Amino acid sequence: LAKTTQPISMDSYEGQEVNITCSHNNIATNDYITWYQQFPSQGPRFIIQGYKTKVTNEVASLFIPADRKSSTLSLPRVSLSDTAVYYCLVGGYSGNTPLVFGKGTRLSVIA
Amino acid sequence: GAVVSQHPSWVICKSGTSVKIECRSLDFQATTMFWYRQFPKQSLMLMATSNEGSKATYEQGVEKDKFLINHASLTLSTLTVTSAHPEDSSFYICSAQGQGSDTGELFFGEGSRLTVL
Repeated sequence: LAKTTQPISMDSYEGQEVNITCSHNNIATNDYITWYQQFPSQGPRFIIQGYKTKVTNEVASLFIPADRKSSTLSLPRVSLSDTAVYYCLVGGYSGNTPLVFGKGTRLSVIA
Repeated sequence: GAVVSQHPSWVICKSGTSVKIECRSLDFQATTMFWYRQFPKQSLMLMATSNEGSKATYEQGVEKDKFLINHASLTLSTLTVTSAHPEDSSFYICSAQGQGSDTGELFFGEGSRLTVL
C-alpha cells in the first residue's frame, strides 16, 4: 500500500485558493488518488479522485503530474466551512483492498 | 451518491458490557466493508476488513475476540465491542465499497461514538 505524506496543517484566509500537496512516491500503476474531507465527529466525505493529469468537479481540482508521485488538491476560494482535515489516499481497488489513512492536513480557514 | 448509515451514532455503556454497531449500505450492495477507529485529534486507523459471507480480516494488534465483526448480508456489517473498557472509548467508522468497483471510492458512515464508563 502506497504511503502518503502531507503537511500536518495549513492556514488560509477566506476567499483564497488553497493547494494541498500530497507525496506518494511508491504509487503503483493501478493506484488511483482519492481525497477525502473530514469534519469533527463525522465520517470522511469524498472530494475528488483521479488517476493522471487534471480532474475538476464542482468543489475542487486535482492535479497529478506525469510521474504520479505527488498530487495537489486545489480548493478555490475557501470559506470558513472548509475548515476540516483533508486526507490523500492512494490505492488500487479490486477485491477487498482497504484504504489506509495517513495523518491528513488540518486546514484552518480564517475570516 | 451512495449512502452508508451507521447506528447508533453515539452510545454510552458500562464497563464490561458489550455494544453492537451496525453499518448499512442503503442503496447499493457492498461485498466489502471496512471498520476504522479514530481517537481524538488522530487519523483513522483500520481495524478490519469485513467480507460478506466469510470471516473478517483483522489488522495487526486488533483483537478479533474483542471486536467481533459479522457481515451476514450484502448490505449489513456489524461490529460488536465485547466486554468494553474505558480504553475502547473511541469514534468507530465503517466504510463500504460497492460491487464491481475498480476505482476504489469508499463511502463512509457517519460514525459511532462509543463512551465506556
